[in-house]
Formats: sequence, structure tokens, C-alpha cells
Amino acid sequence: DVKVTQSSRYLVKRTGEKVFLECVQDMDHENMFWYRQDPGLGLRLIYFSYDVKMKEKGDIPEGYSVSREKKERFSLILESASTNQTSMYLCASSSTSSGRAYEQYFGPGTRLTVT
Amino acid sequence: QKEVEQDPGPLSVPEGAIVSLNCTYSNSAFQYFMWYRQYSRKGPELLMYTYSSGNKEDGRFTAQVDKSSKYISLFIRDSQPSDSATYLCAMKDNQGGKLIFGQGTELSVKP
Repeated sequence: DVKVTQSSRYLVKRTGEKVFLECVQDMDHENMFWYRQDPGLGLRLIYFSYDVKMKEKGDIPEGYSVSREKKERFSLILESASTNQTSMYLCASSSTSSGRAYEQYFGPGTRLTVT
Repeated sequence: QKEVEQDPGPLSVPEGAIVSLNCTYSNSAFQYFMWYRQYSRKGPELLMYTYSSGNKEDGRFTAQVDKSSKYISLFIRDSQPSDSATYLCAMKDNQGGKLIFGQGTELSVKP
């Protein structure tokens, strides 16, 4: 079974803090993604990575950065957290080499509240 | 205009009803069409996928793709309370692994 784990289920941070969200997958997937999910807006792609040390901007990268030093780990960084970054953050992974890039495996999500 | 449009609902139906969920899209390059299901406080999981046009059936679930109309549907027959979830359509072209998701439709099946 593919497993995608995220470091925290719930996180409360103050405005201006630097926030790290960690994601680890155990199936040797090449592709990893960070989304945020908000009511009425659905899943919005923040950043993604097709390989170690590679990253590409998604639809809403402003205020975020990412790091992928190892194939299994993809970190999302909020450089200076703001209240409008309060959201559910979901990490996902997929494999292009398997021919099943259409199937993304998601973690359980991190509910981040910025006060 | 968003690349993928999906009515967010919420949709409430009685147990046993036939449910129809739909998405429209604008990008003719999309070739993979997926439906993901997301239970409360969980991440989405792939429910069904279709490549190019046509129908696909899996138990009580049927996925349809009409590329000429840029319209996809998911039908749930004999709906059950356990089908209560948010259903997200997703689409992909032949390049890379990036998916484009609809907003998701929240479905509630009442006993």
C-alpha cells in the first residue's frame, strides 16, 4: 500500500512565523505535489516536483517555497505566515514511470491555522 | 474562466437514489479523466479513471466522458449512506503528472 504521511494533522502558528510542513512517501514516486484546499475553491496547486532538487510553481506559489532534497520527502515552507494562509494543506505523490501518473496518492492533510 | 468547472453542491439525496455528478472543461488537450472521492478529514482517493472518450463501469459507479461536448459525468446507482463524501473530478493531458481538479461536489446520502 502506498503511504503518504504528513508531519502534523493540526498546526497553529502566529502571523510572521516561519512554518515547515513535511511530507514523506514510501513508494519511490518521482512526482510530489503540495495543494491547499479551501471551501468553495477546491484543490489549488501550490508547487510540485518531478525529481529530486527540482521544483515547479503551481497556480498559487506566492508566499510559499519548497524543498526536495531526497526523493521521498517534499517540504512546504511558509516564509512568513499570514492569516490568509489558514487552510488545509494536502501533499500527494504519483509515479510517471508506472504509466499511472493520473493516480495521485494523498496524505491525510494538515489543518493550519495562522492567528 | 476556470479550466475545469464543477458544481460544488451540496447535493442531498435519499438512500437508493441515482446520483449524477458532472464537470465541464475547456482544454481540449485533456486525455485522462478521473473521479476522486474524499471522505471527511481524509485525503482524496482515486475512484475511477477513463482515458479519452467513452464509458467505464465499476460496480455501482459509471464514468462517462464526452470529449465533443467537453463534459464528464459520474453516476452512482443505488446510492448508500457510505457514499456520502466530496467527489472531485480531475483531468490531465499526456504530458507530466499535473492534474487539474474541479472544485468538488459535496454529496450526502440520507438513510
